[in-house]
Amino acid sequence: NAGVTQTPKFRVLKTGQSMTLLCAQDMNHEYMYWYRQDPGMGLRLIHYSVGEGTTAKGEVPDGYNVSRLKKQNFLLGLESAAPSQTSVYFCASSSDSGGGQPQHFGDGTRLSIL
Amino acid sequence: GQNIDQPTEMTATEGAIVQINCTYQTSGFNGLFWYQQHAGEAPTFLSYNVLDGLEEKGRFSSFLSRSKGYSYLLLKELQMKDSASYLCAVMDSNYQLIWGAGTKLIIKP
Repeated sequence: NAGVTQTPKFRVLKTGQSMTLLCAQDMNHEYMYWYRQDPGMGLRLIHYSVGEGTTAKGEVPDGYNVSRLKKQNFLLGLESAAPSQTSVYFCASSSDSGGGQPQHFGDGTRLSIL
Repeated sequence: GQNIDQPTEMTATEGAIVQINCTYQTSGFNGLFWYQQHAGEAPTFLSYNVLDGLEEKGRFSSFLSRSKGYSYLLLKELQMKDSASYLCAVMDSNYQLIWGAGTKLIIKP
């Protein structure tokens, strides 16, 4: 029962470097989300996808890009990392956007930008 | 603006009952979720309310009053493993979840 799998679990980057965070789900969910979680704040939505080949901006999209080439995968890219992007990143998926369908979360990626 | 308010931290005793409150102001309402998050782990789904009233699920219950913009999570017969953060989230008119900062619950023996 893998559910939602995120890689890597930890990463340290230098300012200006780029990287891609990977998210894979095996529940055949249409909807996928990328959040960041910072101390003292609620989860904030970065980007989301309502199906294969679609992406949309969330609350805090600047500095990030995403792609959903396959239904099961949702990639989050940082083109030029900044210290303000130091955070814990969570990927989530759901079968629907409404109707009480919960979002299922991966274990998170802890990212530090020096 | 959209806002979810919950207490930052609460302390309770093992075996007791605790109520965690959540008040919200959002653009539209399509349901309220409660999640549990242990330190260093992923949030996990606890409950969902879309109509007024109480939903009971074992030791956990969740209440909603849409007219008051208010919900609470009630945890009974507290166990040490219930030490975690509890996150309140409201689904707005765009079907996006707006999250509170979470309530850290500390259980003492």
